[in-house]
This record gives sequence, structure tokens and C-alpha cells, in this order.
Amino acid sequence: GENVGLHLPTLSVQEGDNSIINCAYSNSASDYFIWYKQESGKGPQFIIDIRSNMDKRQGQRVTVLLNKTVKHLSLQIAATQPGDSAVYFCAETLYGGSQGNLIFGKGTKLSVKP
Amino acid sequence: EAGVAQSPRYKIIEKRQSVAFWCNPISGHATLYWYQQILGQGPKLLIQFQNNGVVDDSQLPKDRFSAERLKGVDSTLKIQPAKLEDSAVYLCASSPRLAGVYEQYFGPGTRLTVT
Repeated sequence: GENVGLHLPTLSVQEGDNSIINCAYSNSASDYFIWYKQESGKGPQFIIDIRSNMDKRQGQRVTVLLNKTVKHLSLQIAATQPGDSAVYFCAETLYGGSQGNLIFGKGTKLSVKP
Repeated sequence: EAGVAQSPRYKIIEKRQSVAFWCNPISGHATLYWYQQILGQGPKLLIQFQNNGVVDDSQLPKDRFSAERLKGVDSTLKIQPAKLEDSAVYLCASSPRLAGVYEQYFGPGTRLTVT
């Protein structure tokens, strides 16, 4: 959406560097997690997901790490590009993602310097 | 494949006025969601429809917000009367029948400013 990045934590990285975005989730019973990317003027877009029976999952240039002990998620983006500039949200849910509601966390604004 | 369409994209109203937002989901998608995204926060679910029936409206402020999906396709979300704290982006999302929550496709949103 428009200007959703205001007042958010900001991570500024150089093009080509790796980025790590962190998220603390709220419900210890949550068993399915998603990372979303939201560009200015657009709705959230699915990036990658992970179930609670996994600690790590890799996609194309992205890796999600899950630490259930401290209720923490991270999103790693390799070789960050200017097109990666956006606000990133983690979301949690129950029932393995088959039903229920998504609970979104606070976002992080990623700014990539060319 | 066309995405989720929303209109208007921007709306400015005075407090106590009424406003309505429209959403056209992806063709064939049975489930439709309305979210409220306040500046600097993640989206919060307001209401979920399965076809034309309400699945979850537990977080919809029913004293002023209403939503309908009469024919199981398009949906409208209305606020009457609006308050200053309703200023937000209102996102619509849709997903196929029996899909997991991860299969939500979001529209671009309607930015509401209440003055």
C-alpha cells in the first residue's frame, strides 16, 4: 500500500550484499510462517514459507530460518538487488496454514543502495 | 491472469462521512478477505468470505463497518460513519476454494484518509 514504509525499522544495504531481516512472532502455538514483500502502492506478495517442523528453508536467493525456542524468524536475501527494496512482513498462523487467519508482524523496510 | 482489482485507489473524506470500497477478486476464487493496514503496521484481517457467506468477522468493528459479497464474486466494504483512526490502506485478497491461507493474492489497496 501507499507509504506503508513510514515509521518502520529500516535496513539499508549495498547492492550485492546479503540482507538479513528479523521477525519476532507472538504465538508459541503457531506452526506455519510466511514472509511477504510489499512494494510501494502494492499489496503484499508471498516470498517463502516454512512449517514449524523445519528450521530452515531455501528458495531462489532467499532463505528463511526458524527458531521456535525464542519465537524468531529471519529472512536472508542473497546478493540483494535494487528490486528487493520494499517492506517485508512475517506472518504466522495455525493448523499448518490450511485454515485460520494470518497474523502479520511489524514490517521492516529494506533499502538497497546501487 | 488478471489480479485482484480494487477501487478507488485513494479516497479522502471528513470524519463522520461514509465511504465504500470495491473489490473484484481473481476469477474463480471462492474466498475473499478484507484487511486494514494502518501506516507502519502489518495488515489486520477484518472479514473473510467463502463464496457469499461470512467465515470470520470477529475483528470487524460492526458498529461502523459492514461488508457484503452478494453474488459470491465482487465485494464492497463500507464505513459509516468514519473516524480519524480509520485512516489506513484497505486491502482485498482472494484465494481459490480449499486453498491454504498462504494462497492469498492481494490487490493494490485503497488508501483512505479521514480528516
